[in-house]
Amino acid sequence: SQQGEEDPQALSIQEGENATMNCSYKTSINNLQWYRQNSGRGLVHLILIRSNEREKHSGRLRVTLDTSKKSSSLLITASRAADTASYFCATEKTSYDKVIFGPGTSLSVIP
Amino acid sequence: EAQVTQNPRYLITVTGKKLTVTCSQNMNHEYMSWYRQDPGLGLRQIYYSMNVEVTDKGDVPEGYKVSRKEKRNFPLILESPSPNQTSLYFCASSSPSEAFFGQGTRLTVV
Repeated sequence: SQQGEEDPQALSIQEGENATMNCSYKTSINNLQWYRQNSGRGLVHLILIRSNEREKHSGRLRVTLDTSKKSSSLLITASRAADTASYFCATEKTSYDKVIFGPGTSLSVIP
Repeated sequence: EAQVTQNPRYLITVTGKKLTVTCSQNMNHEYMSWYRQDPGLGLRQIYYSMNVEVTDKGDVPEGYKVSRKEKRNFPLILESPSPNQTSLYFCASSSPSEAFFGQGTRLTVV
């Protein structure tokens, strides 16, 4: 079974609204990463949060990690049409271990 | 410019005909990996390599081989491709904090 599971599977919002995506995982992790993928293209790394961190920011992105609940959330504030993409979380149990991706959340931002 | 280069980008082949997808990175990373992406299943790791001559199975290694004879290259080999290996394949090269992905290889096995 997959380590990471994103929720919701699909999300549609109006431009300017905030988008929140969640990721749950099953076992202990070393770090959790979020990636974006535009249709059919390679993934782009957004942010990494380590197991001893609770929150990280990068521009309009805010990631939280709750290791007690084995969950993470990605918040995109003031969304833009260009944010339309699929978003994946990925977990590693230890550094340079197997990386396991969730099935992704498809985000549509309507202009 | 940091780059992961995969070739070919598109490939149509017949069942049983051996093929190799090449992957090269210019970042001197030790860790490289291969994924396949299928609708509804997300990305699944096929093989990964932590250094030259060190490779390990990911979640879906059956039907694939890899080699890591030098740090920059990590080819994916399908000795006898089958239609269930039709997929979108990504190579990635990783530092301790992020992975860099190639543009993908869309493989169709007929």
